[in-house]
Amino acid sequence: SYVLTQPPSVSVAPGQTARITCGGNNIGSKSVHWYQQKPGQAPVLVVYDDSDRPSGIPERFSGSNSGNTATLTISRVEAGDEADYYCQVWDSSSDPPGVVFGGGTKLTVL
Amino acid sequence: EVQLVESGGGLVKPGGSLRLSCAASGFTFSSYSMNWVRQAPGKGLEWVSSISSSSSYIYYADSVKGRFTISRDNAKNSLYLQMNSLRAEDTAVYYCARGAGDYVPFDLWGRGTLVTVSS
Repeated sequence: SYVLTQPPSVSVAPGQTARITCGGNNIGSKSVHWYQQKPGQAPVLVVYDDSDRPSGIPERFSGSNSGNTATLTISRVEAGDEADYYCQVWDSSSDPPGVVFGGGTKLTVL
Repeated sequence: EVQLVESGGGLVKPGGSLRLSCAASGFTFSSYSMNWVRQAPGKGLEWVSSISSSSSYIYYADSVKGRFTISRDNAKNSLYLQMNSLRAEDTAVYYCARGAGDYVPFDLWGRGTLVTVSS
């Protein structure tokens, strides 16, 4: 089955740029979606189809995807961005197909 | 208001059964695929199951295949998860989520319902 690999943690100072990676075999050929989850809350979609943002999500959130790595970039990080972030793909190559989540990355704002 | 509300969680003994429900409102439920995702205490998100808008296609994670059954009633705007032969490792918050595309991404989530499997 398809595996998505994320770093367990990323730390960044306020105002700096955070980059959270999601590794997978030829992930560039798939559409990657990203979720933010704050403690005690349900996940929220922040980037879909590699680089699109749902309405209401700040432009500070962006995404890219190429080769074996997808990246969620958060510019001008704020204290309120501290959360767990998960990448997701639809794995159509497996039989049967299914949804795959990365293990999650805890973003700490220093 | 567009929302999903889960119910049916609780404490159940190993080997027992539980049925979760998810009530949808504020959108055309029958137009969307729906999904269950769970999160064990202190752990990450784990996909459980997906069902297409007309129930024609259903998929399960290997960890629940043969024990869990997803279903939906478009007339009642409701999604269900029948969980049988429950194990301690099924303990988690269970979320229902709407699929925005064919199945992903999940653009709307409920607040979750806690299932605890313990003797």
